[in-house]
Amino acid sequence: DGGITQSPKYLFRKEGQNVTLSCEQNLNHDAMYWYRQDPGQGLRLIYYSQIVNDFQKGDIAEGYSVSREKKESFPLTVTSAQKNPTAFYLCASSRQGAVPEAFFGQGTRLTVV
Amino acid sequence: AQSVTQPDIHITVSEGASLELRCNYSYGATPYLFWYVQSPGQGLQLLLKYFSGDTLVQGIKGFEAEFKRSQSSFNLRKPSVHWSDAAEYFCAVGANGNKLVFGAGTILRVKS
Repeated sequence: DGGITQSPKYLFRKEGQNVTLSCEQNLNHDAMYWYRQDPGQGLRLIYYSQIVNDFQKGDIAEGYSVSREKKESFPLTVTSAQKNPTAFYLCASSRQGAVPEAFFGQGTRLTVV
Repeated sequence: AQSVTQPDIHITVSEGASLELRCNYSYGATPYLFWYVQSPGQGLQLLLKYFSGDTLVQGIKGFEAEFKRSQSSFNLRKPSVHWSDAAEYFCAVGANGNKLVFGAGTILRVKS
């Protein structure tokens, strides 16, 4: 079945460590996105990529980095520079074109202790 | 800049009662509008979408939404709520370059 797979579902890291969240899709979508979700704040865009080897910052990119070496993969690294990394992270993808209908993974909950 | 406002943070309805969740948007051109639903600890599932044409759109799980350009609104409705509808609902508007802008969400509680 086609879809978006995020792993792991739960992630615990010590403060000051970098951590990478995985996102893989087999929908053959060109565009991929990372969102951060905090209670009462909706979804905020971290980074997005519309094509392989290219990506753009979203609204809250500071302290995060991404790569897009393959069409199906868009990993997110939460660096030690991110001041408040504990959150729920959602990956999404969509077809390239005028209609931005996004399909979401099941999310990764990151807890920094 | 595009924005979405969901005025109600929480809504509680009785099972079997009707439901309306409000969504107002700000966007300079003809918008692409979406409603998504999220169960706790899960990803988002698309309920319905509006691109053009008929302003009343039908979605999954018995939901519908009406696009009103004059009011910049895209309210979600359901005639009879089931306990399984308890979740968080997000309205979103399509922005430049395929990005979606989301509202803060409305948490729906269903009482029996």
